[in-house]
Amino acid sequence: GAGVSQSPSNKVTEKGKDVELRCDPISGHTALYWYRQSLGQGLEFLIYFQGNSAPDKSGLPSDRFSAERTGGSVSTLTIQRTQQEDSAVYLCASSLVTSGGGTGELFFGEGSRLTVL
Amino acid sequence: AQKITQTQPGMFVQEKEAVTLDCTYDTSDPSYGLFWYKQPSSGEMIFLIYQGSYDQQNATEGRYSLNFQKARKSANLVISASQLGDSAMYFCAMREGAGANSKLTFGKGITLSVRP
Repeated sequence: GAGVSQSPSNKVTEKGKDVELRCDPISGHTALYWYRQSLGQGLEFLIYFQGNSAPDKSGLPSDRFSAERTGGSVSTLTIQRTQQEDSAVYLCASSLVTSGGGTGELFFGEGSRLTVL
Repeated sequence: AQKITQTQPGMFVQEKEAVTLDCTYDTSDPSYGLFWYKQPSSGEMIFLIYQGSYDQQNATEGRYSLNFQKARKSANLVISASQLGDSAMYFCAMREGAGANSKLTFGKGITLSVRP
């Protein structure tokens, strides 16, 4: 597809279970971001990947959260031993980073809504 | 300190009127970019407008313009001729540093409701 694709769109899980959320960025976009948005709130930065550089993990809220990006494309966000406060919409975005300028705006997926019971 | 501050809790505007959504930012980096995004109730994030710190003129995109006051560190979004479809949440965001090689930090957002 032409846009950022996220799956699943909805996930309901029980407290203590692990979940994996997937993001397929726009082809050719070298930067990939994960954000979390609780109901009616702003976007909380989680992690940022850029090419082969070490990811910026400064936003991950605890060691239960981790993310990988394989082959510079698809990314998986993993939440281990989920807690009720993890319930939120997890948004993935990608952008094109060039040396020639440009705004580098983020293109967002539709999000994965996680509900932890 | 918050990087991006959006303090208006909710805004109302009459259809066809103009509205200004406030955003202030905090950075010591001379090079940065400012973004506005719209999020309707469907949840998608829609990029509206961008302003670079070295841009000489205020950015404009159709009915959207950015009132960039560098000394005051404000980047207010102006929507002219409001339409019912403008009802949404609006987020201001900043990227620090030159180029497009870092994360965007978002404000908490402002809810805009357009009245017919």
